[in-house]
Amino acid sequence: DIQMTQSPSSLSASVGDRVTITCQASQDISNYLNWYQQKPGKAPKLLIYDASNLETGVPSRFSGSGSGTDFTFTISSLQPEDIATYYCQQYDNLPGITFGGGTKVEIK
Amino acid sequence: QVQLVQSGAEVKKPGSSVKVSCKASGGTFSSYAISWVRQAPGQGLEWMGGIIPIFGTANYAQKFQGRVTITADESTSTAYMELSSLRSEDTAVYYCTAYCSGGSCYSGTGYYYMDVWGKGTTVTVSS
Repeated sequence: DIQMTQSPSSLSASVGDRVTITCQASQDISNYLNWYQQKPGKAPKLLIYDASNLETGVPSRFSGSGSGTDFTFTISSLQPEDIATYYCQQYDNLPGITFGGGTKVEIK
Repeated sequence: QVQLVQSGAEVKKPGSSVKVSCKASGGTFSSYAISWVRQAPGQGLEWMGGIIPIFGTANYAQKFQGRVTITADESTSTAYMELSSLRSEDTAVYYCTAYCSGGSCYSGTGYYYMDVWGKGTTVTVSS
């Protein structure tokens, strides 16, 4: 299976800060990468698909970029409601769909 | 709008099996992919496998091959995930998911994106 290495595993930032999370694939996955937000006790929510496309209804402060093996997820201006854990997920080879380990975002 | 309603929490003994259901409302159940994802306490997400009911054949992650069986009953729009030989490490929340962007749910690409989720079923394995 393709391994997804996500970093950092946690971060603390102030409201209004720019937050960046990276995800590295163990092999080339083109742009077959999605990003999810999960709040405590809730199911994940799809935010970004195909590396850089914003899901309908998701605020524009969320963005994604990258291709191949290196990907970035950015919150341009952190808001209190963004406190959550974020996961990347690759789908390059079915049935080997895998997720990154997650990044917990907290408010400083 | 598609909704996925899962069965209730389960407590199982090590070595036993559990079968979790996921009933879909809305959309054409037989033609879209349903995946199962689990999350152990305090841990990340794991894709276990999925099925497109009209095709009948399930796809399984290598880690769970031989221990998980995913089926679907088109007559009741319900998907099932059965996990056998349970051990304590299988204690987790089990989610069913689908991809239904723009009001239509998807088959092949339905495995790749997960934008509709059930609320999750907690399975506890304990002696």
